[in-house]
Amino acid sequence: NAGVTQTPKFRVLKTGQSMTLLCAQDMNHEYMYWYRQDPGMGLRLIHYSVGEGTTAKGEVPDGYNVSRLKKQNFLLGLESAAPSQTSVYFCASSYSPRGNRSPLHFGNGTRLTVT
Amino acid sequence: DAKTTQPPSMDCAEGRAANLPCNHSTISGNEYVYWYRQIHSQGPQYIIHGLKNNETNEMASLIITEDRKSSTLILPHATLRDTAVYYCIVRVRVEGGGKLIFGQGTELSVKP
Repeated sequence: NAGVTQTPKFRVLKTGQSMTLLCAQDMNHEYMYWYRQDPGMGLRLIHYSVGEGTTAKGEVPDGYNVSRLKKQNFLLGLESAAPSQTSVYFCASSYSPRGNRSPLHFGNGTRLTVT
Repeated sequence: DAKTTQPPSMDCAEGRAANLPCNHSTISGNEYVYWYRQIHSQGPQYIIHGLKNNETNEMASLIITEDRKSSTLILPHATLRDTAVYYCIVRVRVEGGGKLIFGQGTELSVKP
């Protein structure tokens, strides 16, 4: 039982390049989330998903797209990377048929640098 | 969204109890209080959560005031490995399962 696994762990992109961050969970969780963390900003929610085939915007969705084609995977895409997207990205998942009662479980992050 | 207020930093002596306060005066009736911590740059680690009653697990205790406007996380016997940033979060109940809105947290330093 690996929990939440993020790949890659590190990545350096040039401005304008695209990439996809992969999040996989093996806990059969319904809900999945993407956060970014920047110094002094705490964690900010980018997008989230309440189930396979559904996605929704969080606090800071601009410049990102997401897909949830399979229940266990949640993909975060950057179509045209910008230096402002340099950050640490965390994926999380939770199981909760009743909204806010179940903890989120986090992966260990992807450190992205855009030059 | 209900906001939380935490002191930016605290110190605690190893072996002593660490009491981390949090104010959440605008919390709604069905919103839970969650605590997470983050060690170095690892992913946030879940500690405990509660609605109205005090809660205890193997990691910590959570004391919520009767009016629910504040809470305290208690680490009963702090160790050096408890040095981390601790986040108090009100779990927003929205369609889709309740997002966690993170604030700035409290940086706890446990000293020998």
